[in-house]
Amino acid sequence: KQEVTQIPAALSVPEGENLVLNCSFTDSAIYNLQWFRQDPGKGLTSLLLIQSSQREQTSGRLNASLDKSSGRSTLYIAASQPGDSATYLCAVRPYNTDKLIFGTGTRLQVFP
Amino acid sequence: EAQVTQNPRYLITVTGKKLTVTCSQNMNHEYMSWYRQDPGLGLRQIYYSMNVEVTDKGDVPEGYKVSRKEKRNFPLILESPSPNQTSLYFCASSPPQRPNTDTQYFGPGTRLTVL
Repeated sequence: KQEVTQIPAALSVPEGENLVLNCSFTDSAIYNLQWFRQDPGKGLTSLLLIQSSQREQTSGRLNASLDKSSGRSTLYIAASQPGDSATYLCAVRPYNTDKLIFGTGTRLQVFP
Repeated sequence: EAQVTQNPRYLITVTGKKLTVTCSQNMNHEYMSWYRQDPGLGLRQIYYSMNVEVTDKGDVPEGYKVSRKEKRNFPLILESPSPNQTSLYFCASSPPQRPNTDTQYFGPGTRLTVL
């Protein structure tokens, strides 16, 4: 059974720091891995999607990597800003399913 | 604007009183799904639908029903809500199956409290 774990559960950093969020999964048979952002009272916004054949994806200050063989992904946020404060969720899409399996998220706070 | 909408956004009800949470998408997506989010458990899939009149159970379907009579709508029905269904609910949709590349688009969520 696929399980997704995110560490740390919460993180508080000063503005300007570079930071790394971690995601691990137990079964490498996946179509893709996605990182989402969740703001309080709002839905999930897809940040980056890495196909199983890819190693990384970049969007602005965000870079996500995928090591399928070891069951790990990282989300790197460069030069963090207070507006980055949110909960970050990673999710995998297992083979032969249409659902996403989510981790429990990392709650990030960036203070000025 | 392409979006997934849910109504209501907030609902407080009592045990046993039937309720429906509506979900609608304007992107002509075939696939739609319902998740619930609980502290420490993440998001878990309740039901999903591959297309009109095609629905199937997810990981936590007990106590819920769905229907897909139209492509754009996918309501979630709680026939007899219980306190353990107090949760944050999300509806999601995605385009025709391209599993490697397709992301899912999420609604804003419905916070349900069952007393």
